[in-house]
Amino acid sequence: AQSVTQLDSQVPVFEEAPVELRCNYSSSVSVYLFWYVQYPNQGLQLLLKYLSGSTLVKGINGFEAEFNKSQTSFHLRKPSVHISDTAEYFCAVKGSSNTGKLIFGQGTTLQVKP
Amino acid sequence: EPEVTQTPSHQVTQMGQEVILRCVPISNHLYFYWYRQILGQKVEFLVSFYNNEISEKSEIFDDQFSVERPDGSNFTLKIRSTKLEDSAMYFCASSEGGQGFSPLHFGNGTRLTVT
Repeated sequence: AQSVTQLDSQVPVFEEAPVELRCNYSSSVSVYLFWYVQYPNQGLQLLLKYLSGSTLVKGINGFEAEFNKSQTSFHLRKPSVHISDTAEYFCAVKGSSNTGKLIFGQGTTLQVKP
Repeated sequence: EPEVTQTPSHQVTQMGQEVILRCVPISNHLYFYWYRQILGQKVEFLVSFYNNEISEKSEIFDDQFSVERPDGSNFTLKIRSTKLEDSAMYFCASSEGGQGFSPLHFGNGTRLTVT
């Protein structure tokens, strides 16, 4: 079985500062990793995904994440945040089963202050 | 870009009533899902559906819940007799394949309030 832990429930940061949202996973099988973003009163939007290959993946809105197998982590980063990045961010994992089930972390609220 | 659409955006119902949440997945997708998010909690898997049958369901998805694809486009979640604890945001999702590398595309959700 897979599980995901997002270590920070809230991350306050000033505009134009860098940010890292942490995500650790556990799994006994190979996994695929995802970050989703949820803006206020909206659904879940795919930010980026790691399937295989390069461990550094780039997503939309200037975000990137690095897959670290030895540390079982998939932290999300952005070098300079905007007010519009204020949202809930979810890390998620899929195993190798064919049901497509996605397991989510608890979510991290990114609060960008002016 | 094609998207998953859910209706209604907000549903208020009384305890014990039946409710049907509707979703139109992306047209060429074959796998469909329902997730829910109770306020302040994580997004939880309810059920996955492929080839007109449930492929996996969670412990939450008990006999009060059912899913159906009544025609070629809609995918519905029915809660037979709602309870207060069913109040949550319900998300529908679809994916092209069921393999791990096929990402899920989510709708904007239906907020269900049971009074």
